[in-house]
This record gives sequence, structure tokens and C-alpha cells, in this order.
Amino acid sequence: GAGVSQSPSNKVTEKGKDVELRCDPISGHTALYWYRQSLGQGLEFLIYFQGNSAPDKSGLPSDRFSAERTGGSVSTLTIQRTQQEDSAVYLCASSLDPGPNQPQHFGDGTRLSIL
Amino acid sequence: SQELEQSPQSLIVQEGKNLTINCTSSKTLYGLYWYKQKYGEGLIFLMMLQKGGEEKSHEKITAKLDEKKQQSSLHITASQPSHAGIYLCGADGAGTASKLTFGTGTRLQVTL
Repeated sequence: GAGVSQSPSNKVTEKGKDVELRCDPISGHTALYWYRQSLGQGLEFLIYFQGNSAPDKSGLPSDRFSAERTGGSVSTLTIQRTQQEDSAVYLCASSLDPGPNQPQHFGDGTRLSIL
Repeated sequence: SQELEQSPQSLIVQEGKNLTINCTSSKTLYGLYWYKQKYGEGLIFLMMLQKGGEEKSHEKITAKLDEKKQQSSLHITASQPSHAGIYLCGADGAGTASKLTFGTGTRLQVTL
């Protein structure tokens, strides 16, 4: 597609439920990134993929968070046993490759609300 | 860890006026990225600065990188309502661009 596509755009769920967020990167982009944006914390890095492997998972806040990428394309971010503090906008970005000369292009995000 | 401080936090300017937003890093900058965000939307890439002293322009927006001061500035000339939004600077602190650290943002409002 023309840009990074994320789904769903909004998700409301009850505390304790699992959620899956999806990201379709720009076609041909080998690097994919997940960030979280919340009122108190700003924009925080979660995890980065090069192809299907994740060299940097340092931003995942707890073991309830996991992500995978298949076929070097689509990625899913899974949050298990959601807590209220997980409420945030989850943003996905992709770049042609992970080098310093390649800007990251962002999707519109998934707004997650935990009741 | 690297921290980015943006100033001002918010700005209200009259249409047609010029304005400057600053981004200062606590550590060496290997690359500095400027993005714009509107409510409910993702980040729109504006410009990327790689070298000290580099300056780039796109339409009425100019960004500069001062490597020695570990600082970047974003200047908008003759502001328009379409420039309204949140401006975010992002930095590559490791030279790999695999993880960006972002500033807290500057909210810009342009009044008629």
C-alpha cells in the first residue's frame, strides 16, 4: 500500500483480556518499529524488526507484551492480560532499511482503551 | 539514555507570523528527525538532518542541526492554519536509526 496501515484504529476492551494489534508496513520496507504514545510518557520505543527477527526488544514494558513479524511484512503486537496502564495509542512505523539515512514512516496508530 | 527537550511546549501565533521550535539533546546526535502530528493521526515525516551544520528546507519550513550544541531548530516562515499541530523531534542516539527517542512535542496553534 501507499502508507503504513494499522488495524484496528480503535480498540476498547476489558481489563484482563488479550488484544492483538496489526501493522502492515510500506511494501518493500525491511525495518518495522512499534512505539507507544501516552499522555504521561510521550512517544516510547517498544520493539524493532529487521526482516522477521527482532534485534531490539528493549522497550517492551513487561512479559505481557510480545510481537512477531511474518514474511518480512505484517507484524502483530499482542498484549496479554491487559491492564489500565496499557491504555495508549500504539504506533507502527517502517523504513526501507534500518540505516541512519532512512526515515521512519508512521501509521495512524491504534487507540487502545482498557476499561 | 538520551533525552530530548523541546521548547516551547506550546505556541500560539497569528497567521503570517514566523516561529521557531527548538530541540536539545542530552547526548551526541547522530541524526535528527522532525515530524508533525495532528490529533488522532500518525506522525508525518518532515525532514531528516544528518550532519552538523546541515540545513534543509521544504516549502516554508526550514530545519537546522547544530552538532556542537546538540541542538536542532525548526523555523516556519509566514505561518498558515495548515501548519497547526504537534511538532516532534526524534533522535538517533546510536547511529543505527533502529530506535528513535522523541521529544515531548511542541503544540502549535495558528490564529486567523
